[in-house]
Amino acid sequence: GDSVTQMEGPVTLSEEAFLTINCTYTATGYPSLFWYVQYPGEGLQLLLKATKADDKGSNKGFEATYRKETTSFHLEKGSVQVSDSAVYFCALHMEYGNKLVFGAGTILRVKS
Amino acid sequence: KAGVTQTPRYLIKTRGQQVTLSCSPISGHRSVSWYQQTPGQGLQFLFEYFSETQRNKGNFPGRFSGRQFSNSRSEMNVSTLELGDSALYLCASSRDRVGAGANVLTFGAGSRLTVL
Repeated sequence: GDSVTQMEGPVTLSEEAFLTINCTYTATGYPSLFWYVQYPGEGLQLLLKATKADDKGSNKGFEATYRKETTSFHLEKGSVQVSDSAVYFCALHMEYGNKLVFGAGTILRVKS
Repeated sequence: KAGVTQTPRYLIKTRGQQVTLSCSPISGHRSVSWYQQTPGQGLQFLFEYFSETQRNKGNFPGRFSGRQFSNSRSEMNVSTLELGDSALYLCASSRDRVGAGANVLTFGAGSRLTVL
């Protein structure tokens, strides 16, 4: 079945460091890919998305490129801030089910 | 524009009881989905409703049920609660337009259920 694999955390970085969170997927069709972020005590917020191969999603300095050849959607940010500390979820969405399949989530901690 | 509203935000129940959670989607959104989030299992899909009909269902026992009303508001019910049902229950809504990637799900803040 469809699945998403994320790198395990927690990831601990110093402020202004470069961030990469790896995400790979397995899907039978052509999914849309998403990154969601969850701050403590809150629900999920959409961070960025890509709907087809080679699309790049970007938002708030975060970027991810849909790589069909490597079935990946790695999240990157050039310079993280303490306020980026949260849990990041990679997810795929298949049209026929209108449901999201999530990865396990990666905790990011940014130290000042 | 109001977001997805879930009530109650927090609740405590005891084993064997039942619970009903409510979700009001974004205005104009006709699809409502429910997810369970636990530390052990992560985020798991429960079910999706569209125009008052359950369109898709995850792998949960029959104790978990839901419904959607004509105004698109949705409720989920868990009967005969077990300790393992303690979780954050998230509701998400979408327009459900046809087209790749058009169905972006917007989540509510969740209802945190604790079963004692």
